[in-house]
Amino acid sequence: GNSVTQMEGPVTLSEEAFLTINCTYTATGYPSLFWYVQYPGEGLQLLLKATKADDKGSNKGFEATYRKETTSFHLEKGSVQVSDSAVYFCALDSGYSTLTFGKGTMLLVSP
Amino acid sequence: DAGVTQSPTHLIKTRGQQVTLRCSPKSGHDTVSWYQQALGQGPQFIFQYYEEEERQRGNFPDRFSGHQYPNYSSELNVNALLLGDSALYLCASSLNAFGNTIYFGEGSWLTVV
Repeated sequence: GNSVTQMEGPVTLSEEAFLTINCTYTATGYPSLFWYVQYPGEGLQLLLKATKADDKGSNKGFEATYRKETTSFHLEKGSVQVSDSAVYFCALDSGYSTLTFGKGTMLLVSP
Repeated sequence: DAGVTQSPTHLIKTRGQQVTLRCSPKSGHDTVSWYQQALGQGPQFIFQYYEEEERQRGNFPDRFSGHQYPNYSSELNVNALLLGDSALYLCASSLNAFGNTIYFGEGSWLTVV
């Protein structure tokens, strides 16, 4: 079956530091890949997505590249801000708009 | 353009009771899915409705049931509530096409006491 594995948190960084959150997946076929963000007490917001191999999704300074050979979709940002503190979820959709999520990685950014 | 809206926002129920949660999808979206997110966990897929039929179902017992109306809005019903049903229930909507973006509502927080 489908599964997503992402690095455990919390990830604690100082403002302006470089961020990487690792995500690997197992899926049949060629899934679409997503990163969602959840701020405290809120629902999920789509951060970025990629629908085929070598695609790069990007939004608000965050980037992730769909790597089929390593089945990975790592999230990166060059300079984090305090406002980026949230829980980040990697997810895949192998068809029919049904998402399989990782367990989430909490990011804490201090001034 | 309103996004995905859910109601109620918060509710408290007693073990054994039944609950109904409601969802209106984003305008133009025809597919509605429900997810359960326990505290500190990622969302787990419950089921999906398309054309008023349950199209897919995750690993949840029959106590969890749903409905989709002709206007694409949806309900999630949970019978015989257990303490372990306490979670954030998220509704998601999308168009019925591969690779389309899936949008989530703010969720309904259910506490079972």
